[in-house]
Amino acid sequence: SQKIEQNSEALNIQEGKTATLTCNYTNYSPAYLQWYRQDPGRGPVFLLLIRENEKEKRKERLKVTFDTTLKQSLFHITASQPADSATYLCALDDSSASKIIFGSGTRLSIRP
Amino acid sequence: EAGVAQSPRYKIIEKRQSVAFWCNPISGHATLYWYQQILGQGPKLLIQFQNNGVVDDSQLPKDRFSAERLKGVDSTLKIQPAKLEDSAVYLCASSLMPGAGGTYEQYFGPGTRLTVT
Repeated sequence: SQKIEQNSEALNIQEGKTATLTCNYTNYSPAYLQWYRQDPGRGPVFLLLIRENEKEKRKERLKVTFDTTLKQSLFHITASQPADSATYLCALDDSSASKIIFGSGTRLSIRP
Repeated sequence: EAGVAQSPRYKIIEKRQSVAFWCNPISGHATLYWYQQILGQGPKLLIQFQNNGVVDDSQLPKDRFSAERLKGVDSTLKIQPAKLEDSAVYLCASSLMPGAGGTYEQYFGPGTRLTVT
């Protein structure tokens, strides 16, 4: 069956450290993968998109990698800050159905 | 640029009642999505419109849920009759039409939190 899996447990990181979130998928062949941030009571906000032919993408303190062999994407936040605390969702395109499928998200807490 | 607007923000109804949600997407976005997000889960696509037409409604419980997008702009999602398990946040999102130089990057509204008692 098709699955998208993110760290089910909340991630607690000391301020200043690098936070690494994982997104694994099975039985999908996505052309690209996206990461979104969601704060309580709000809709998700787009952060980064990485295509299947890209190994890495960066935006300020954010870095995303995409390994189509491992069927995995890693999302890194360097020099983490308490304001980075949120739930982070990965989403991939189900090219067979022309739609986006979201993972269940990982809740990240950055402690001062 | 104005974002995706949704109303109401909160709604409490009893089971078997009906409810409707409204969404106004970002101007120029041809694609509109309705998602259901249950607490602790990621958004689940209910229906996707491209302009006026339905692209995907495979996960829409059609015996109780309906949606329309008139004139390719605003959209409404209706539940009739509601069940307890419909308690969730209903998110509307919009994007540029895929293949027209845009990606599937989606812009979300704040959502409507529905509680069915």
